Amino acid sequence: GAVVSQHPSWVICKSGTSVKIECRSLDFQATTMFWYRQFPKQSLMLMATSNEGSKATYEQGVEKDKFLINHASLTLSTLTVTSAHPEDSSFYICSARVASGSPEQFFGPGTRLTVL
Amino acid sequence: SQQGEEDPQALSIQEGENATMNCSYKTSINNLQWYRQNSGRGLVHLILIRSNEREKHSGRLRVTLDTSKKSSSLLITASRAADTASYFCATNSGGGADGLTFGKGTHLIIQP
Repeated sequence: GAVVSQHPSWVICKSGTSVKIECRSLDFQATTMFWYRQFPKQSLMLMATSNEGSKATYEQGVEKDKFLINHASLTLSTLTVTSAHPEDSSFYICSARVASGSPEQFFGPGTRLTVL
Repeated sequence: SQQGEEDPQALSIQEGENATMNCSYKTSINNLQWYRQNSGRGLVHLILIRSNEREKHSGRLRVTLDTSKKSSSLLITASRAADTASYFCATNSGGGADGLTFGKGTHLIIQP
């Protein structure tokens, strides 16, 4: 149980295009999902907290207009990288909490974005 | 914000030996978790220790937590080649409501 999937696994796009990444909780409902970014050989950095039915909460330094987050249902959150540039190339990982108040998060397999 | 520091950054040992990784953090926490990440993959949750616990075991894993020193250690006993991965500690300070703050990670290489 507690499986989180991401789609796509990897994507290559041209500079200036927008890319949407999906994060799904497959066998549970997730009221809260989190988006992280990981640059090569570095750790994960929290980008934003996504709550179902409300606006996402972004970490300091993360542009909300560039990284659009939508959490329209209890099993799906999407991250759209708008007008992507080469510096946005990274590994994007989402996670979800099983239940309110539970500290454990289950992570998706990640999406590798390469912007040419 | 990044607050965890793992030590060492990289560790290479022989199969069968024990591997110890340390993690320090800066703020008060609700719990601390350890994750494993194989190259280019997602994270696998290993173990969670709450702020009122001092030690926890899970199979070949042993985690300690010293809140007075704001540090934790992860011990992997009888290491195997399959344990080769990056290991991260992550802290949660908001009772589960907040995202995790990850340490920089320790890259562990188990030589057969």
